[in-house]
Amino acid sequence: AQTVTQSQPEMSVQEAETVTLSCTYDTSESDYYLFWYKQPPSRQMILVIRQEAYKQQNATENRFSVNFQKAAKSFSLKISDSQLGDAAMYFCAYGVSGGGADGLTFGKGTHLIIQP
Amino acid sequence: ETGVTQTPRHLVMGMTNKKSLKCEQHLGHNAMYWYKQSAKKPLELMFVYSLEERVENNSVPSRFSPECPNSSHLFLHLHTLQPEDSALYLCASSPLGRSSYNEQFFGPGTRLTVL
Repeated sequence: AQTVTQSQPEMSVQEAETVTLSCTYDTSESDYYLFWYKQPPSRQMILVIRQEAYKQQNATENRFSVNFQKAAKSFSLKISDSQLGDAAMYFCAYGVSGGGADGLTFGKGTHLIIQP
Repeated sequence: ETGVTQTPRHLVMGMTNKKSLKCEQHLGHNAMYWYKQSAKKPLELMFVYSLEERVENNSVPSRFSPECPNSSHLFLHLHTLQPEDSALYLCASSPLGRSSYNEQFFGPGTRLTVL
């Protein structure tokens, strides 16, 4: 079974600074997807960024980028120029490939605090 | 708001009550999911529906009963719950097919409190 581990229950960063959230996972599959989801207080979980395991290039979405190390099974999220609106719970998730209906496996989450 | 809605947003019920949670997606997806989110724990997958057929049931107690009457609607029927069932229940949907990336879209959740 796949597992996802987020070792940082809480992180704090000054506004406009850069922060990196860690995630490691365990799988025996070679093809899969990895995701970072954001859950603001009392708001819906939304997708921040996605990485396909067969792609070596790290995904980027504006201020958000990942460092995907497949051999090390590591998938960290870097947030540049942190903004107050980035404050939220961040969840790392693993998904199988194949196009079927498969649930995602989530980590426990990291609570990100943005200091003004 | 995304294209996935859930009602009610908050629910308080006694252990002998029967209630239902509703989820509706307006994204044209063919897969729907129920997750349970408890404090300090990862999201737990409860049920998976693909094309209105249940394809996964992760050892969920029978006091939780899902129903998927069509690809746009998903229900979770609750009866004789326990206080430890108090949690945020999240519904999600996703498209099917190899181009879907298994990306799931979540609703806002129903905050359930069992007294």
